[in-house]
Amino acid sequence: NAGVTQTPKFQVLKTGQSMTLQCAQDMNHNSMYWYRQDPGMGLRLIYYSASEGTTDKGEVPNGYNVSRLNKREFSLRLESAAPSQTSVYFCATPGPAGTEAFFGQGTRLTVV
Amino acid sequence: AQSVTQLGSHVSVSEGALVLLRCNYSSSVPPYLFWYVQYPNQGLQLLLKYTSAATLVKGINGFEAEFKKSETSFHLTKPSAHMSDAAEYFCAVRPYNQGGKLIFGQGTELSVKP
Repeated sequence: NAGVTQTPKFQVLKTGQSMTLQCAQDMNHNSMYWYRQDPGMGLRLIYYSASEGTTDKGEVPNGYNVSRLNKREFSLRLESAAPSQTSVYFCATPGPAGTEAFFGQGTRLTVV
Repeated sequence: AQSVTQLGSHVSVSEGALVLLRCNYSSSVPPYLFWYVQYPNQGLQLLLKYTSAATLVKGINGFEAEFKKSETSFHLTKPSAHMSDAAEYFCAVRPYNQGGKLIFGQGTELSVKP
């Protein structure tokens, strides 16, 4: 989707490895979010950032850390990946009207 | 805590038939409500949203949803299903004063039979 770019799109990790998921938005909003999607569970909020320099835990923060590098970028880090973190990860920011969320294309992560 | 419930993890309809996907939310104050669609291996795309204006909301691709406060429901409908409607659909609520976070339902996979 135009406006929110996630990298990488696919990743396979071994248990215990670390990695950082990158997200950048050009919609000039202060807020950014990280969700994970699992079958039968919808999307669940991991972390969010209301503005540059601030971050807060969401519903499922354990095993993750985040960095709000500047207004555009919000990264998600897995320090020691576990199979339970196999999921699809979405970054989002408010849409043009400021009410809905606008999502990136997702990162499909498999931890073996 | 607020929650969203989508009835039916999988719905199957014939092409040309009515599509009805159910969503109920728990909230004492009407929040913002959304329906998103996700095609295979893609991100989420906004179908429509309710933001306290008209209770009947029209979205893209012929979908619409009606906000019913008394039933705390926001069901998604389309009069005539098309093969291209096959996808997963998510209902979501944005509670007031919670930083714009969304709470999602479990998702409903829609299949369309020829």
